[in-house]
Amino acid sequence: SQQGEEDPQALSIQEGENATMNCSYKTSINNLQWYRQNSGRGLVHLILIRSNEREKHSGRLRVTLDTSKKSSSLLITASRAADTASYFCATGDNYGQNFVFGPGTRLSVLP
Amino acid sequence: EAEVAQSPRYKITEKSQAVAFWCDPISGHATLYWYRQILGQGPELLVQFQDESVVDDSQLPKDRFSAERLKGVDSTLKIQPAELGDSAMYLCASSYKTSPYNEQFFGPGTRLTVL
Repeated sequence: SQQGEEDPQALSIQEGENATMNCSYKTSINNLQWYRQNSGRGLVHLILIRSNEREKHSGRLRVTLDTSKKSSSLLITASRAADTASYFCATGDNYGQNFVFGPGTRLSVLP
Repeated sequence: EAEVAQSPRYKITEKSQAVAFWCDPISGHATLYWYRQILGQGPELLVQFQDESVVDDSQLPKDRFSAERLKGVDSTLKIQPAELGDSAMYLCASSYKTSPYNEQFFGPGTRLTVL
């Protein structure tokens, strides 16, 4: 079964609004990564948060991790039409193996 | 900027035929991954290489799928025979080394349609 499960499955917002998507996982992790995928393209790495970190920022992205709840959230502030994409969380084990991606959240940012 | 190369970008084949995909990772990246992504789902890891050795192929359907990375550089994924359910995007990714903290760099993928 998949380790990561994103929520919601789809999200539609207006340009300038914030977008929040969540990821839940089932077993202990070493780190959690978020990736973006534009339609029909490969994935692009956004941010990695380690299991001993609680929050991380990169530009307009903010990721939180709650290991007690086995969940993470990705916040995109001041969204742009170019942020329209699918967003996936992914987890791996301590050996850099057993990578599992969730089903993704499809974000649509309307101009 | 260095990129992961994949070919072909699109492949249409009939069921029971053989099909092969090629991936050239970023130079110096020791770890290479093959994923299958069904439309609307997340990528599923098929096989992971560290140099020329397989470190994880637990999800690879070995009765019909094979993967090799003979010289530890480029890699080929083969399906023989192809089935209708194999229609998907096949993604290749590479990372500097097998480590919990390394980001993966993905190629553009090969979209396979089996008729």
